Parts: sequence; C-alpha cells; structure tokens
Amino acid sequence: DVQVVASGGGLVQPGGSLRLSCAASGFTVSSNYMSWVRQTPGKGLEWVSVIYPGGSTFYADSVKGRFTISRDNSKNTLYLQLNNLRVEDTAVYYCAREIAPAGMPAGVFYFDDWGQGTLVTVSS
Amino acid sequence: DIQMTQSPSSLSAFVGDRVTITCRASQSINSFLNWYQQKPGEAPKLLIYAASTLHSGVPSRFSGSGSGTDFTLTITSLQPGDFATYFCQQSSSPPPTFGGGTSVQIK
Repeated sequence: DVQVVASGGGLVQPGGSLRLSCAASGFTVSSNYMSWVRQTPGKGLEWVSVIYPGGSTFYADSVKGRFTISRDNSKNTLYLQLNNLRVEDTAVYYCAREIAPAGMPAGVFYFDDWGQGTLVTVSS
Repeated sequence: DIQMTQSPSSLSAFVGDRVTITCRASQSINSFLNWYQQKPGEAPKLLIYAASTLHSGVPSRFSGSGSGTDFTLTITSLQPGDFATYFCQQSSSPPPTFGGGTSVQIK
C-alpha cells in the first residue's frame, strides 16, 4: 500500500526557516515527479514546487529563491526547505505524486498519493 | 499563469439531487483538466482526470465533461459522503493551477 507521511510544520516568526518532510512507502520518490502544494483559506490550493526524477527542480514565482525542494533517496523522503518565511506563506503544505496516466496525451497528469498535510504558521 | 474559475463557490443540495459544478479556464487547456474532492482535515482526492476519465474506485455517479475552456463536474443522486469541497486543476501549461473550490453543503 502507498503511504505518504508529512511532518515538519510549526509556528515560526517572519524571516525564519523550516524544513518539511514527506516520507513515502509503496513507491520510490526518486522515480517520480514529486510536488509540494499548499492551501490557504484565502488563496485556495497553490502549487509550490516540483522535482523531476532526473533532479530538475521548478518553483512558483512566489517562493522562488526562498524555498528549496530536495529528496533523500536512501530514506525515500521528499523535503521542502522554507527560508525567509513571510506571513503569506502560512498554509497547510501537502506533498503529492504527479501521475501521467498511460495512454493519455503528453501533458496530462494529475496529483495523487497526497501526504496528510503539515501546517506552517508564520507569525510574530 | 492560467486562471481557473469555478462556480458556484458554494451550493446547498439535498441527498439525491443532481449537482453540476463549472470550471472555466482563462485560455484553452484542451482536455487537461482534473477534478478533486476534499473533505475537512483531509488532502484532496482525485475524482476525474483528462476532463472525463473516472479515476479508479470513484463511483459512477461522478462524471466530467468539457474541453477548451469550459468544463463541468456532475454528481447524479448526491450521497451523504459527497458533501465536500470540489476543485478543478489544469495541467495544460505550467505551473499547474487550481480553481477556487466549490463547497457542496447539505440543504
């Protein structure tokens, strides 16, 4: 069975840092496109970052230069390092696997195997 | 970025009702549109991908249609477990973007 367990959230002051983790079982993190998606009551669901199997990484403009996505293959774990946090980064952060279903045109993908989410609160 | 607009933002319905939710993209996304269901305290769960393909294990009372810029999610005969928030998401052009959600509540 697939399981994804997120951790690392908490309360941090503006300008602070946190590292979020998603430990996966049932599939290999390094063989998949893995994303972070965050959710706030005000802005809804927002894609944050992705890491490709080959190691390429991409970020939303809102977090570029402040957040870093990475993985530890030996631990089958995905990470998101959050630096220089702002109040507007307050959200529940989810990790998710991107699935490109077989037989579909290139570009069709969806998010599946989500972690349970971890709450990041940025406040003084 | 492609903007996804859902309507309505919330609705009230009875068990057994037929419910339709609309999602509009700011530009054509072909059929690269997914629908998710989210219940309080849980992560979103995939219902439909590629606009109309039902994800494994999803009941057949859920269906999706549309292409280009206009899409619909239909729930026939709403069940108690269907009261939740529904989101659309496009995968046509990076970054992937989500609609603002539609909350389906019990009338």
